[in-house]
Amino acid sequence: DAKTTQPTSMDCAEGRAANLPCNHSTISGNEYVYWYRQIHSQGPQYIIHGLKNNETNEMASLIITEDRKSSTLILPHATLRDTAVYYCIVRVVGTGGFKTIFGAGTRLFVKA
Amino acid sequence: SQTIHQWPATLVQPVGSPLSLECTVEGTSNPNLYWYRQAAGRGLQLLFYSVGIGQISSEVPQNLSASRPQDRQFILSSKKLLLSDSGFYLCAWSDQDRGAFFGQGTRLTVV
Repeated sequence: DAKTTQPTSMDCAEGRAANLPCNHSTISGNEYVYWYRQIHSQGPQYIIHGLKNNETNEMASLIITEDRKSSTLILPHATLRDTAVYYCIVRVVGTGGFKTIFGAGTRLFVKA
Repeated sequence: SQTIHQWPATLVQPVGSPLSLECTVEGTSNPNLYWYRQAAGRGLQLLFYSVGIGQISSEVPQNLSASRPQDRQFILSSKKLLLSDSGFYLCAWSDQDRGAFFGQGTRLTVV
């Protein structure tokens, strides 16, 4: 199973872009990179995912390096409500199904 | 659209009492279902997952069990709770394209 490495915490000024890095150097060719976030006392929320091309949706952009060993989640204009723990994961195929393994994530603090 | 319901939101139970947490999914069929636990300030630990009715895989040895009596129903149980069972329990379902979608969680305190 590919593992991910993220910084424990990051700060970002409100209105600025938040760039959250993730290393996944052992990712295999058929594993996708997923990002979730968890606001305090709530269930994690899906943000975005990708295989090798950069992806963008209404919440964020995902930049994956050409060798796929790392990626960056970009929140283009961070707001105070973006303060949360952000999880970078890769899909793991279990027996007969898929298992999503979560690490400790990055705690993002957006400051006014 | 798909929705996931998990209840209760909070629960305080004495040591040695039984536990039953229920999760149901609407708007999809034959989902993969998961139970996670999160200790305070920690990441999510996968406890169980299920790919179909009656099919349960356990990720870690523990005092808990899971059952899937219906396609869109997933139940987490214990016969006798321990103090160490306290935590934030999350149910989730997944499809192949968009990863996992989580319920709002149950905060269990064993006293």
